[in-house]
Amino acid sequence: AQSVSQHNHHVILSEAASLELGCNYSYGGTVNLFWYVQYPGQHLQLLLKYFSGDPLVKGIKGFEAEFIKSKFSFNLRKPSVQWSDTAEYFCAVNARQTGANNLFFGTGTRLTVIP
Amino acid sequence: DAGVIQSPRHEVTEMGQEVTLRCKPISGHDYLFWYRQTMMRGLELLIYFNNNVPIDDSGMPEDRFSAKMPNASFSTLKIQPSEPRDSAVYFCASSPITSRNEQFFGPGTRLTVL
Repeated sequence: AQSVSQHNHHVILSEAASLELGCNYSYGGTVNLFWYVQYPGQHLQLLLKYFSGDPLVKGIKGFEAEFIKSKFSFNLRKPSVQWSDTAEYFCAVNARQTGANNLFFGTGTRLTVIP
Repeated sequence: DAGVIQSPRHEVTEMGQEVTLRCKPISGHDYLFWYRQTMMRGLELLIYFNNNVPIDDSGMPEDRFSAKMPNASFSTLKIQPSEPRDSAVYFCASSPITSRNEQFFGPGTRLTVL
């Protein structure tokens, strides 16, 4: 069965600090990977996605993520966070071979950026 | 494009009452998903539809929950009878067949059962 682990439940950073949020998944086959962001009181929005090709993907607002197949990881990074990045971040995975279209989400990481 | 539309945005009801949540997916999207979000359990998939047909309802917690999609532009999630532990934010999402599983989420319905 597929599962997604986000080990950091709550991360607190000062503005301009660098960010890395961990995401590991358990599935041996080919996957599609996603990071979603949920700003306070809002719905989930897509931040970035990986389907194939260059394992380093760039998303909106300066975020990027690197797919490392050997580590089953898809960590999210940003070199310098801003107060407006305060939100909850969800990693999600879909296993292509299953033919199913549902996503498995991690439990989320809450990021608080202190001005 | 208006995005995924959900109603109501907030619902407060008493235990035992019937609750109906509504969702209008993005036009042309083939898939529709219902999720529940709580502090304790995070984001859980309840059920999803493909072309109005339920594909996987294994996430529906119990028989008190039911979901329908009578046509391509409308779905409902019903809880009858509701219980306090059903209090959560319920999200609807839709996805086109060509999107490689990228999902577009609605604003959610915050349900409080007293």
